[in-house]
Formats: sequence, structure tokens, C-alpha cells
Amino acid sequence: ETGVTQTPRHLVMGMTNKKSLKCEQHLGHNAMYWYKQSAKKPLELMFVYNFKEQTENNSVPSRFSPECPNSSHLFLHLHTLQPEDSALYLCASSQGLSGSSYNEQFFGPGTRLTVL
Amino acid sequence: QQPVQSPQAVILREGEDAVINCSSSKALYSVHWYRQKHGEAPVFLMILLKGGEQKGHEKISASFNEKKQQSSLYLTASQLSYSGTYFCGTGLRTDKLIFGTGTRLQVFP
Repeated sequence: ETGVTQTPRHLVMGMTNKKSLKCEQHLGHNAMYWYKQSAKKPLELMFVYNFKEQTENNSVPSRFSPECPNSSHLFLHLHTLQPEDSALYLCASSQGLSGSSYNEQFFGPGTRLTVL
Repeated sequence: QQPVQSPQAVILREGEDAVINCSSSKALYSVHWYRQKHGEAPVFLMILLKGGEQKGHEKISASFNEKKQQSSLYLTASQLSYSGTYFCGTGLRTDKLIFGTGTRLQVFP
């Protein structure tokens, strides 16, 4: 595998379910990001991790819980979601300091989430 | 805070040129440009930094007017493969990227 991979690619869940999204980067980067992309809205940054430490939480509801066990893996744990949380969730990684606007970000293909 | 992109949509025939603009209300350290095709991940095109440094595609050109807090992406002699949604991301010096709403570009034969 190369680049940034995400699993699953599609997920349908009920509001009472608990599920997790997984992201893995094979680029040797130290910063990883979760974004939410809703229809007709810009990419919204959710969380940033640098060397496994969370450096940004963009006022995300607690029903989204990120986890970064190492610099290559990033998870997003989901519980008691709402229908308005349905969206494409994108993971990205970059070299350099997290939050730095100097380095390009490499995106994964995303997980299309539908909350019923 | 969110950058404003214009136009919202562009329709071109192959070989035509297009300009996509990105404006911010805040002073910027950098501007990023990405392209996203339907059902795919955004792909990096270019970074423009305060002071004139650029990183990115050889075939894509862009400008960054620091005083006006604006950036423009120039697509010349468009090809079918240029179709997609273009996003600018504006970066403050030590802060995260904030993305614009996107410009949808369609190129027809």
C-alpha cells in the first residue's frame, strides 16, 4: 500500500451504534488530520495530531473521539451520531509540524458515512 | 474567516483558459490549491508562500497577492482531465488550513 488509506470506504450506521474509522499513512509523515466534507460545504478540519499528540480540536462534538496510537495510524471512534453527521470523512497527512501551512497535505479516499 | 472562491462554477471547452480566485479577509502566510475529482480524494496542486516561494505542479500556475490577501489559479489550454472541484486553503503563519467552498470546473470536448 502506498499513500494514505482509509477503511471502510462506506459505512451505514444507526444512531445508537458504535463504529470506528481507520486511517493509515505510508509516507513517513508525522502529522495527521481528520476532515469532514458535507455536500455543498467546504472541507472542515476536525482534529490534528503531531507525533501522536493532539494539537487541534476544532470544536468537534464529543460523539467523535479520535485516537492516534502512532504516527502512521489514526482512528475516529463514532458513537450516538446524528443524521446530520452523514458526510465524507477524509484523513490526511503531511510532513513537518502539525498545523503548519507550509507543507502539502496528502489525502486518503475517504469514508462515506450515512447515519440513519 | 473562510476564504471566498470565485467563480462557483466554470464550464469550458478543451483548449480554453480559466482563472479561479481565492480571497481572504485575514493576512495570509500561505495559500494551497487542491483539485478533487468526483468520488476521489483531494489532490495537491500548489502552495504559494508569503515572500514569493512556490511549490507544486510545473503545468499549473498561480499568483499570490499578499497585500490584497488574494490568490488566483490559472488553468491554460484546459484538458478533459482538468475537470473537478478546485479548493483553495488559506494558512495563517502557525495555524491550520481553512478551505474555501470550492469551484467546480467542467471541461467538454
